[in-house]
Amino acid sequence: GAGVSQSPSNKVTEKGKDVELRCDPISGHTALYWYRQSLGQGLEFLIYFQGNSAPDKSGLPSDRFSAERTGGSVSTLTIQRTQQEDSAVYLCASSPDTFWGTEAFFGQGTRLTVV
Amino acid sequence: AQTVTQSQPEMSVQEAETVTLSCTYDTSESDYYLFWYKQPPSRQMILVIRQEAYKQQNATENRFSVNFQKAAKSFSLKISDSQLGDAAMYFCAYRSARTGGFKTIFGAGTRLFVKA
Repeated sequence: GAGVSQSPSNKVTEKGKDVELRCDPISGHTALYWYRQSLGQGLEFLIYFQGNSAPDKSGLPSDRFSAERTGGSVSTLTIQRTQQEDSAVYLCASSPDTFWGTEAFFGQGTRLTVV
Repeated sequence: AQTVTQSQPEMSVQEAETVTLSCTYDTSESDYYLFWYKQPPSRQMILVIRQEAYKQQNATENRFSVNFQKAAKSFSLKISDSQLGDAAMYFCAYRSARTGGFKTIFGAGTRLFVKA
């Protein structure tokens, strides 16, 4: 597609349920990022995929969070046993990740509400 | 590890006036890129301006310009002739030019209010 696509746009789930958030990056972009943004706050780094390298998972807040990227393209962020503090907007971004400092392109995010 | 600091959680400017948003960063690298992103209420992150560290000349994009001070590790954004549509969250970001270290690191953001 022309841009980074995230689905769903909004998700309401009950506390304790598992959720999956999907990100379709721009075709050909080797780098993919997940960020979390609580209401009115900054971007919290979650995970970074770069080509075939092992992902940088240093930002995942707990073992309830995991992410995978299949075939170097689509990525899924999974949150198990959701808690109310998981409520936030989850942003995905991709970039060509070349030496030349191309910026990250963002999707519009998934707003997750845990009730 | 690199860090990016935006010390102003909120800023306010009168329409048509000029405002400067501050950003400092910490790195031991000499080659890197710096960015300012805008996030309006729609949530869509938009690149405003970028600066290559090896360039001494400050980047400019229409009403947006930066003051890049490499020695001081400072990268401020100046918005001239502010417009109501400039109201948004602004994020400063750092990206290494080192192979294998391309992860983009963001500051906490500055919320800009524009008064009519």
